[in-house]
Amino acid sequence: QKEVEQNSGPLSVPEGAIASLNCTYSDRGSQSFFWYRQYSGKSPELIMFIYSNGDKEDGRFTAQLNKASQYVSLLIRDSQPSDSATYLCAVNRGAGSGYSTLTFGKGTMLLVSP
Amino acid sequence: DGGITQSPKYLFRKEGQNVTLSCEQNLNHDAMYWYRQDPGQGLRLIYYSQIVNDFQKGDIAEGYSVSREKKESFPLTVTSAQKNPTAFYLCASKEGAQPQHFGDGTRLSIL
Repeated sequence: QKEVEQNSGPLSVPEGAIASLNCTYSDRGSQSFFWYRQYSGKSPELIMFIYSNGDKEDGRFTAQLNKASQYVSLLIRDSQPSDSATYLCAVNRGAGSGYSTLTFGKGTMLLVSP
Repeated sequence: DGGITQSPKYLFRKEGQNVTLSCEQNLNHDAMYWYRQDPGQGLRLIYYSQIVNDFQKGDIAEGYSVSREKKESFPLTVTSAQKNPTAFYLCASKEGAQPQHFGDGTRLSIL
């Protein structure tokens, strides 16, 4: 069974700080990587996706991918209390494992204190 | 508005009863998915469908069944064989290489 690992947290940061969320995966065939935000009691909401090694920036969010190390991260700059949520890392399964099905990590809870 | 609609929001199941969760999308997406989420856990794939009249088992299909008779609809039945059905059920859809997007979910509990 291919795995996606995340630190469960909670990760606590003060307002305005940078939050760094990390994820490792075991399937070397994975090509697509996603970060979803999930508020308590709500469904996941797509934040970022990345396909190529390196960084991808969108507003206050930066996704970083290192396929050699099988590592993907999400940086949130200028963290706000409204960023407090659980962040789910998802990785597509490699070739032969189905049509773009995803394996999800268990999520990291982020708490941003005012 | 385009989107994914799941109903009902809350559902209660009696012992020995089958219940069906609805998922409808008007995004014209080919692929649809059902996940289960337990407290403090990530999402686990139950079933998925790439095209009408075709679907595949995910990681935890036992005790569940699906159909895909129309492109926009992918209902999930939780059968009496599923002994621990209490969970948050999420439906998602996608088109091609685009990311999956989720409906608002259905919470299922045992009476």
